[in-house]
Amino acid sequence: KAGVTQTPRYLIKTRGQQVTLSCSPISGHRSVSWYQQTPGQGLQFLFEYFSETQRNKGNFPGRFSGRQFSNSRSEMNVSTLELGDSALYLCASSFRRTGGSANEKLFFGSGTQLSVL
Amino acid sequence: AQKITQTQPGMFVQEKEAVTLDCTYDTSDPSYGLFWYKQPSSGEMIFLIYQGSYDQQNATEGRYSLNFQKARKSANLVISASQLGDSAMYFCAMREGSSYNTDKLIFGTGTRLQVFP
Repeated sequence: KAGVTQTPRYLIKTRGQQVTLSCSPISGHRSVSWYQQTPGQGLQFLFEYFSETQRNKGNFPGRFSGRQFSNSRSEMNVSTLELGDSALYLCASSFRRTGGSANEKLFFGSGTQLSVL
Repeated sequence: AQKITQTQPGMFVQEKEAVTLDCTYDTSDPSYGLFWYKQPSSGEMIFLIYQGSYDQQNATEGRYSLNFQKARKSANLVISASQLGDSAMYFCAMREGSSYNTDKLIFGTGTRLQVFP
């Protein structure tokens, strides 16, 4: 079974540009979440999608957005890039069922390393 | 506010020895789940072990075990018989009961473990 796939693996952009990152979850997983990892702030939750609907959002500016398609694949977009957006962006998927459970584990991809110059 | 604290930025252990990575948490929710993830240099976060707040026994998964002390709000990861391949960053994370229906996890700052021959 293929794992979570994120593309591209590396990206270099300049300030003011926008970027789109892609995530393909594990087959059968309907929940996709995104995290930002930086040396200073650590791992922070960005947002989560389930069945094409955003269910939860972290404390990030509106420049960060995302969406999920009917096949559960997800994209996140960052507009008007700033130097501080340089980070490893991790996507995770889970086999989340309705009702929720505490022990639902997340399966992560290898991330997209974004560098903003 | 919910918080995960990992006080050991780095740890060294000799191959075949056991090592304990510390994790304390803070939450007012009586229901929560605790996770440990490993992040090698490749970037992918790998699930290791899970402990629920109502679990009567400490969790174990192969060489990984969790020393769960609920009254102290600690959930330390014990790795027995360390291997060179265990060298990585280790993150403790929590999902609160109020977040059972989402994949939002709160992560600690991580501990870098280095195993030497």
